[in-house]
Amino acid sequence: TQLLEQSPQFLSIQEGENLTVYCNSSSVFSSLQWYRQEPGEGPVLLVTVVTGGEVKKLKRLTFQFGDARKDSSLHITAAQPGDTGLYLCAGVPNTGNQFYFGTGTSLTVIP
Amino acid sequence: ETGVTQSPTHLIKTRGQQVTLRCSSQSGHNTVSWYQQALGQGPQFIFQYYREEENGRGNFPPRFSGLQFPNYSSELNVNALELDDSALYLCASSLYRVSGANVLTFGAGSRLTVL
Repeated sequence: TQLLEQSPQFLSIQEGENLTVYCNSSSVFSSLQWYRQEPGEGPVLLVTVVTGGEVKKLKRLTFQFGDARKDSSLHITAAQPGDTGLYLCAGVPNTGNQFYFGTGTSLTVIP
Repeated sequence: ETGVTQSPTHLIKTRGQQVTLRCSSQSGHNTVSWYQQALGQGPQFIFQYYREEENGRGNFPPRFSGLQFPNYSSELNVNALELDDSALYLCASSLYRVSGANVLTFGAGSRLTVL
């Protein structure tokens, strides 16, 4: 059972375009993380957000944690081919310490 | 600082067989979690080991079992393999924290194909 639903599932865009990936749940999470996974590799952590309403920026990537800590978004500005990969959100519920991963968003940036 | 290593990287089994996957955790980490990932999907939590004991389990049947050793390395065992067990199995290590956000470091995974 995956508590976190991501949208869209697939995204194919041209280099230079902007995009937003959404991660939604009916559950409250104490923290939420975003990972990127490339073919043949394990997921690699991009960011952790822990406070409702928190916004973090990493170069062209902007991450937001919803005020109610049930959802998050990832916005990429001026996408580059190197951004291609599977983007995963992962949350830790208020009770327990195991991570629940989202359904994944496969991003392809075309040069 | 060594990362997480998994073996084997690929393997093929037939229905009904048993498989053992291995994972060496990152230096300084004491917790290991195992995930099953279908192609293009998010990882599904199987279980976590801390202090050589199971410390949380996802919705997987008992034929999925594991071990953690004193050096924090771990094994995932799957008995009576089924076709649906075909997937990428990911191991992630972390440093156990009572509260706050853990950071998972993943291995590259073991790709299991069941025929």
